[in-house]
Parts: sequence; structure tokens; C-alpha cells
Amino acid sequence: QKEVEQNSGPLSVPEGAIASLNCTYSDRGSQSFFWYRQYSGKSPELIMSIYSNGDKEDGRFTAQLNKASQYVSLLIRDSQPSDSATYLCAVQSRGADGLTFGKGTHLIIQP
Amino acid sequence: DAGVIQSPRHEVTEMGQEVTLRCKPISGHNSLFWYRQTMMRGLELLIYFNNNVPIDDSGMPEDRFSAKMPNASFSTLKIQPSEPRDSAVYFCASSSGTVRGSPLHFGNGTRLTVT
Repeated sequence: QKEVEQNSGPLSVPEGAIASLNCTYSDRGSQSFFWYRQYSGKSPELIMSIYSNGDKEDGRFTAQLNKASQYVSLLIRDSQPSDSATYLCAVQSRGADGLTFGKGTHLIIQP
Repeated sequence: DAGVIQSPRHEVTEMGQEVTLRCKPISGHNSLFWYRQTMMRGLELLIYFNNNVPIDDSGMPEDRFSAKMPNASFSTLKIQPSEPRDSAVYFCASSSGTVRGSPLHFGNGTRLTVT
């Protein structure tokens, strides 16, 4: 049974600070890792993907992957109120497979 | 380009009725996925297709659920008979299904309420 674990939160961060979201996964054979953002009542939207150990930066977002520890994280710099949402970590075994999602972390950016 | 298109957006039905959800994937994507989202269980993969062929339906909860993909541009998820515990948001997603790292693109979802 593939599992993806996230702290449900809520995680409250002051505006302008760094938000740090974490995720662990059980399937050591996982190859691809994604972060989705979901606003209340909306569908998940992809914000980051990462496939190799290390860091990947895209604007204010940095994804970090450590396959040995089976750990994925997402950093959001200069947090804005519009970043308030649920962040879903997702893991994929092979390119054509479905994604296994965590239940998400509810992030609140305090103005 | 149009994204994944789902219909209807909302469906309210009575227990025992048949429900059909529809999905049009992004043109050129060869993998299609049906997910269900609830507060308790999060996003659960129900079934996925690759090149119109069902690959894994182990997430389909019961025989009351069935899914088809008659061609590359259309899929249905049917629940017959429906039960109150089927109430959830059902998402369809598609991807290019490449060897490495194929993110899913989600439709807007169908909110199903079974009374």
C-alpha cells in the first residue's frame, strides 16, 4: 500500500516569511514527485515537479527531494496571502501511473 | 488550449438512482484518471486508462462503479445504484503519460450529492 503522509495543519505563517511544507512517502521505488495547490472549492493545480535528489527552484517556490530519507518538501519564500490554500504532495512510481496524494497541508498566510 | 472538461459541475440525486459523470481529456494526452475527493480520505485514485485501455481499477470501491473510455476524447464514470456515501467531488485528470514524470492536469470536478 503506497502511502504519502503530510501534516494536515493548519500551518500559519506571517506574510513575507518562509512557509515550509513537508511530505514523506512509503514506496521506495517512486520516481516522480509533485506539489499541487488547491484553493477551497477548486481543483488541484500543479506548482512544482521534482525528479532528482536536491533542490529545484521556480520563482518563490523551492522543492527539495531526499530519496534516501523518502522525504519531499516545499518552501515558499516571501509568503503572500494569496498563497493561503491546501498544498498536496503527490508521488508517482512510473511515468504513466496515477499519482498517490497526501491529504494535504492547509496553509494560512497571516497579513 | 482547453483543459480537461468535466460535466456536470454539480449533480444531486436520490439514493438508488444511476449517475453518469463525463470527461473530455486534453487533446493529445493518452492517459486519463478518475479520482474521488472527500474530507476524510482525501484524493483517491479510482481507475486510470492508458491509450483508452483500463490499466488499474483497483481503486474502484465496489461493483456499483464502472468506467469506460470508448475513444481518446471521452470517458464516463457511472455509479449504479448510487448511495449517500458516494457523495464526494469526482475529478477527472489527464496526462501525456511519458516514461518519466507525467504531471496530471485536473478538470474542475463534479460535486455529487446523493440524498
